[in-house]
Parts: sequence; structure tokens; C-alpha cells
Amino acid sequence: GENVEQHPSTLSVQEGDSAVIKCTYSDSASNYFPWYKQELGKRPQLIIDIRSNVGEKKDQRIAVTLNKTAKHFSLHITETQPEDSAVYFCASRVMIKAAGNKLTFGGGTRVLVKP
Amino acid sequence: EAQVTQNPRYLITVTGKKLTVTCSQNMNHEYMSWYRQDPGLGLRQIYYSMNVEVTDKGDVPEGYKVSRKEKRNFPLILESPSPNQTSLYFCASSLGTSGYNEQFFGPGTRLTVL
Repeated sequence: GENVEQHPSTLSVQEGDSAVIKCTYSDSASNYFPWYKQELGKRPQLIIDIRSNVGEKKDQRIAVTLNKTAKHFSLHITETQPEDSAVYFCASRVMIKAAGNKLTFGGGTRVLVKP
Repeated sequence: EAQVTQNPRYLITVTGKKLTVTCSQNMNHEYMSWYRQDPGLGLRQIYYSMNVEVTDKGDVPEGYKVSRKEKRNFPLILESPSPNQTSLYFCASSLGTSGYNEQFFGPGTRLTVL
């Protein structure tokens, strides 16, 4: 089955700096890559996603890039703010009809933004 | 308000005592799923359901059961809980079973099995 590796597991940045989280996936049939943010004690929430026919997507201070050849994708947060402190999960989905909307998640990255 | 709800939010139980965690969504979603979250392992899928009476195993189904008798509800059943099932559990739902559908998560249930 699909395997998703996520690095780093923890990331500490100074407020205003950029943060980058990287993920690799194993199944070349994966076609959808969402990113979820989980604040302390809260549920994961979708912050951005990218489809396999797109190389980059931006939404204000966050962007995601996808390299299908290398099978990796990354989350970039610019001008980090204290409210960006959270655990971030990458995920991938292989389009298998029998599995529906199954997502495989990475292990998560705990981001701490220091004021 | 469109949402996924879970109950209970916290549960401490003992080995072998059957329990059920309920999940309900009011968005008329077809796809529902259960995940467990453990440190460093991310979210791992336990079971999923594509529609009423259609369920299948995810990546870590051992020790769990589910049912989907109604579209809105997807309970998770632990017939004989063991300490290795101590975890944070999330239910999630999405509109369709294919396409690029966002998964919406419930608030989570923290389970401790002594």
C-alpha cells in the first residue's frame, strides 16, 4: 500500500521566518495531496491541497509544491506567526475506486513559532 | 451548523469491557472513516464506509468493528478493548467517494484502556 514519509518531525522557527515541511510518497498512482493543520487539542483541518496535474499552489502565506517525478511534495509557510504553531500532516490519496476517498497520512510535523 | 460529532470525547475503561464510540455527520456525506492518532505515526485509517451497509477495512482494523445502518451514523465498536488501543480517535466524512473531496474531522475521542 501507499507509504508517506514526513520530515522533519519537529520544527522550531523564529517569528517572521519561513518554514518548510517535506513529504515523500511511494505510489505513483497518487493523485491528490492535502495538508492538514491540527492545533493543540483540536481536530485536523484542511489548509491547502494540490492535485497531481498541478506543480504549485499558493494561498496567502502558504504554498504547496509537487514533484511527481521524485514523488515528493512540500508545504511552505512564509512570514510565520505564533498562530502557525501546530502539528501539520501531509497526506496522499491513490485513486482506487474500491478504496474511495482513502487518505494515507504522514507522521506529522510539530511546528513551533517563537516570538 | 455543518459538522461531524463524536461521543464520548473522553473515555477511560478497563481491558475487555465492550465500548462504542459514536460518530454522526449532518452533511449528507457518503464517505465516512475512522482514524487513530498516535505520536509519530500520524493518522492511520481503521475502517471506512462508502455508503449505507458498505464498510471495509483500513490499515489497522484489528480489534475494531463498525456498522453503517444509516447514512449519518458510523459507530466504532471495541468488543474487547486492550491497552494497545489507548489512542486518540477521529471520525471523518466527505461528500463523495471519489473526486477531490475534503475530509471533515470530528472533535476526537481520547480513549484510555487500563
